[in-house]
Amino acid sequence: AQSVTQLGSHVSVSEGALVLLRCNYSSSVPPYLFWYVQYPNQGLQLLLKYTSAATLVKGINDFEAEFKKSETSFHLTKPSAHMSDAAEYFCAVSDNDYKLSFGAGTTVTVRA
Amino acid sequence: NAGVMQNPRHLVRRRGQEARLRCSPMKGHSHVYWYRQLPEEGLKFMVYLQKENIIDESGMPKERFSAEFPKEGPSILRIQQVVRGDSAAYFCASSPSSDRAYEQYFGPGTRLTVT
Repeated sequence: AQSVTQLGSHVSVSEGALVLLRCNYSSSVPPYLFWYVQYPNQGLQLLLKYTSAATLVKGINDFEAEFKKSETSFHLTKPSAHMSDAAEYFCAVSDNDYKLSFGAGTTVTVRA
Repeated sequence: NAGVMQNPRHLVRRRGQEARLRCSPMKGHSHVYWYRQLPEEGLKFMVYLQKENIIDESGMPKERFSAEFPKEGPSILRIQQVVRGDSAAYFCASSPSSDRAYEQYFGPGTRLTVT
């Protein structure tokens, strides 16, 4: 069974600073991994996905994530935070079927 | 090029009433998934449907909840005799095919409030 752990339910960063959101997963098979962003009162928007190609995945809005099998991690980063990055971020895993398993989410606030 | 559409966006029901949530998948998508997001939690899988078929309803509560995806029209998630614990955001997602079932596109959700 898959599961996802997101370390830190809230992250606060200064505008222009590095954003780092942590995600660890457990899966019995090589997984598909995803990061989604949810703005207030909106649905989930896919930021990026890992599907067993390159381990460093680039997504929209300068986000990227690195798949590290040895650490079972898929941390999300962005070099320079913008005010518009304030949102909730969800890591999700799927073991090649239809059930996405989501972490509890990390809320990002950006300080001016 | 419309995405996944859900309506209503907000729904208020009194305890004991019925709630009907609708989802229209992306054009060309025939696979629909429903998820529930309780406050302060991540999304939890409820059910997977194809046209006229329920593929997996293992995440659905055993009573009061049902889902359908008819040959014509949107997918419907139906909650009978709602209780306060049903208050949540319900998200629908769709995918283009079974071999790309992991590639799910989400709608904006329906926020159900039970008073």
